[in-house]
Amino acid sequence: AQRVTQPEKLLSVFKGAPVELKCNYSYSGSPELFWYVQYSRQRLQLLLRHISRESIKGFTADLNKGETSFHLKKPFAQEEDSAMYYCALSGYNQGGKLIFGQGTELSVKP
Amino acid sequence: DAMVIQNPRYQVTQFGKPVTLSCSQTLNHNVMYWYQQKSSQAPKLLFHYYDKDFNNEADTPDNFQSRRPNTSFCFLDIRSPGLGDAAMYLCATSREQGDIRGYTFGSGTRLTVV
Repeated sequence: AQRVTQPEKLLSVFKGAPVELKCNYSYSGSPELFWYVQYSRQRLQLLLRHISRESIKGFTADLNKGETSFHLKKPFAQEEDSAMYYCALSGYNQGGKLIFGQGTELSVKP
Repeated sequence: DAMVIQNPRYQVTQFGKPVTLSCSQTLNHNVMYWYQQKSSQAPKLLFHYYDKDFNNEADTPDNFQSRRPNTSFCFLDIRSPGLGDAAMYLCATSREQGDIRGYTFGSGTRLTVV
C-alpha cells in the first residue's frame, strides 16, 4: 500500500541550527514527492517538489529511491520557519491523488 | 488574486442536522478535492471531481456527499453529522490529476458538532 511516514511529531531546534525533517514512503513505482507547509493560521501551501530540484526559503529535499526517503533539510533554521510540515506523495498507482504523512511540527527557538 | 476560497471558516452544527460546506476557485482548475483532517492526523482524501466526474474514496462514509455544479464551485454535504465528523475540512484544486505542480489549498472550514 502507498504510505508516507513522518516519524517525528515535533522537532524543536534553536535558531541557526541545522534542521532535518524526515519522510519515508512506500510506493511501487515512481512517485512524485512534495513538501507542504502550514504556518500558524494560514493555509496549507506547497513548499517544494522533488522534480524541481529547487531550494525554497533555504530548504532542500533529495529523493533517495534506495532508502525510499525524501527528507527536508535546511542548514540554518530561522524562527520564521516554525510551522507544520507535511510530506506528500502522488503517483500513477492511485490516480495522481495526494497522500499525506501525519506532519511534523517544527519549532525554532530564539 | 486567483485562489481557493472556503466558506465559512468555522461552522457549528447540531448532531444529525445536515450541513453544507462550500469551496470556490478562480484558478479554472479541472480537479477539486475534499480532505478531512482531524486533530494531529494527516489530511485524508474523501473524494474529488475531475471536471464533472465524481471519484469517491473507498473508505469515505456514505454520510458524506459532494456536488460540483460548475467549474468554480464544489460543495461538501454531510447528511447526518456525528460527533466523530468534527474536523477541519480542506478543499484543494489542481490543474490536472497527478499535476506535478501540486495542489492549491483553501484555508479550510473547521466543523464543530454539538
